[in-house]
Amino acid sequence: GQSLEQPSEVTAVEGAIVQINCTYQTSGFYGLSWYQQHDGGAPTFLSYNALDGLEETGRFSSFLSRSDSYGYLLLQELQMKDSASYFCAVSTMGNTPLVFGKGTRLSVIA
Amino acid sequence: EPEVTQTPSHQVTQMGQEVILRCVPISNHLYFYWYRQILGQKVEFLVSFYNNEISEKSEIFDDQFSVERPDGSNFTLKIRSTKLEDSAMYFCASSGRTRSHIQYFGAGTRLSVL
Repeated sequence: GQSLEQPSEVTAVEGAIVQINCTYQTSGFYGLSWYQQHDGGAPTFLSYNALDGLEETGRFSSFLSRSDSYGYLLLQELQMKDSASYFCAVSTMGNTPLVFGKGTRLSVIA
Repeated sequence: EPEVTQTPSHQVTQMGQEVILRCVPISNHLYFYWYRQILGQKVEFLVSFYNNEISEKSEIFDDQFSVERPDGSNFTLKIRSTKLEDSAMYFCASSGRTRSHIQYFGAGTRLSVL
């Protein structure tokens, strides 16, 4: 089977740094993606890791350890607009369906 | 910036009725997907489509569901006889030949089955 585990909720203060972890157990692994979803909105691609290490995209970074089946999304200089749900998702090939985690609801407070 | 377009944004139907959800993927993309998200839950894969045929489908995608690419731009999901439990947000997504791991999602169609 396929399973991805991530915390259900995280709360952080505006301007702070927050890390959202994701562990996965899947039959096959090609890469780990992160998507952001605001209430009522579409999932929006944030970041992707196929190899071990850190990928940085502005205020967002994502990390992968394939040997540990683990990754995380790091959000820096948090803003109120970052309040949303964040999903990790595994792809088993480059163009195969994504298997999503249950999502982490991030609340940014003043 | 090119985007995936879905219509309608909200569809209300009676149980047992047929519905067709429509999507216009990004024009040069080759891979198309339907996902659904029941309120408050995770996004679940339904079906993928490539080269004018289904490439993969989940156990959710039973005989009540079908997909079509009737022309060069549209991609549709049909539910033949809707059930109450089909009520969900349905997302269409597409990806291109390069960076095919990035899927671009439409804004979704909220299906309410009464």
